[in-house]
Amino acid sequence: QVQLVQSGAEVKKPGASVKVSCKASGYTFSNYDISWVRQAPGQGLEWLGWISTYNGNTNYAQKLQGRVSMTTDSSTSTAYMELWSLTPDDTAVYYCARAPPFCTSVSCFFYYWGQGTLVTVSS
Amino acid sequence: DIQMTQSPSTLSASVGDRVTITCRASQSISSWLAWYQQKPGKAPNLLIYKASSLASGVPSRFSGSGSGTEFTLTISSLQPDDFATYYCQQYNNFSGTFGQGTKVEIK
Repeated sequence: QVQLVQSGAEVKKPGASVKVSCKASGYTFSNYDISWVRQAPGQGLEWLGWISTYNGNTNYAQKLQGRVSMTTDSSTSTAYMELWSLTPDDTAVYYCARAPPFCTSVSCFFYYWGQGTLVTVSS
Repeated sequence: DIQMTQSPSTLSASVGDRVTITCRASQSISSWLAWYQQKPGKAPNLLIYKASSLASGVPSRFSGSGSGTEFTLTISSLQPDDFATYYCQQYNNFSGTFGQGTKVEIK
């Protein structure tokens, strides 16, 4: 079965960087793109960006341009999201997500989600 | 980025009520819209995709409609398990902006 297993919780100081991983299993990694979404405590969902697991193309939310990088390692079927120059406003649960097989459009919605990684930014 | 605006932010309703949530896009997204339900501490669960297609396993009391910039999610008869927060999401041109969410509370 499809699984997206994320790395554990992180505590960072303002100005630091964080790298969250998302290890995929149960399917061919390069067949489905990975997106990242975050949710600050008590707040809504925020789309962060998308990466093609086929060719590495990316598209990031304008708000995070220049501060985020999404990469993949096909040898381990793992996607990564790195965010730097952290501030307390970056405190959130970070999710990776994937489309279902029945999505045939160029861009897709999300059916499979990782369990979430809590990133806390505090001095 | 395309902006998504949901209304209302909070909705108080009773079991059996018909509930409608609206989502507006800042530009046309055709039918590239999904709806999710989220409960506390859990990842979102897909309800509707392509504006009106019901995801597998989702009860038929949920329905979606709209195209272009105006969309609605309707719950025909609210059930106890439906008290949750609902989000719309546009997925167009390799982006995926969410609405700010609608919390459905018990009246």
